[in-house]
Amino acid sequence: SAVISQKPSRDICQRGTSLTIQCQVDSQVTMMFWYRQQPGQSLTLIATANQGSEATYESGFVIDKFPISRPNLTFSTLTVSNMSPEDSSIYLCSGRLAGNTGELFFGEGSRLTVL
Amino acid sequence: AQTVTQSQPEMSVQEAETVTLSCTYDTSESNYYLFWYKQPPSRQMILVIRQEAYKQQNATENRFSVNFQKAAKSFSLKISDSQLGDTAMYFCAFKPHVNAGGTSYGKLTFGQGTILTVHP
Repeated sequence: SAVISQKPSRDICQRGTSLTIQCQVDSQVTMMFWYRQQPGQSLTLIATANQGSEATYESGFVIDKFPISRPNLTFSTLTVSNMSPEDSSIYLCSGRLAGNTGELFFGEGSRLTVL
Repeated sequence: AQTVTQSQPEMSVQEAETVTLSCTYDTSESNYYLFWYKQPPSRQMILVIRQEAYKQQNATENRFSVNFQKAAKSFSLKISDSQLGDTAMYFCAFKPHVNAGGTSYGKLTFGQGTILTVHP
């Protein structure tokens, strides 16, 4: 298994500002993903964080709004840029181990509130 | 594209009783994985159980078991001897064995979730 730590766990932000969420994994994971989740709802994939290269974004998500870095196998960041109240959500980092049969391990999430 | 449907937004059960959560999916893939995840009110998602589509035998993990019906594309979760700590939101998820040509290799598709409340 893998332990995934995220910070901040929660934050309140002002409209127009940007916030970077950090994700640290205790094991080398082959793949890392960032999801968004509205409270009480399902998970929506934002992007796949690729080590040493640009992230792969899902439809509806763009790099200018959600820049992602992954400098090594155990660390990634997601920035939510120029925030608006619509960005208020829980952001979840997840990872998959090498040789794993498919399941993801998740961080505790970062709850952002944009005023 | 794959879709996962959980038709029960909310379920409740008495402690020590058995409850079944439903999940159906749609895919053209022949080999894939199915998962049930649990998300307690503290938020962290944890894996409950995994099923590989090529295995006919239903997966079990202690009090948790699945009823996997591949032809019907159904994957239900049975929780036996329900405990208060089982109270959580449960998500069914799908992953193709090989996401050929996909831009997000290996991504999971999640259902809408079912909120399960276990009452004392």
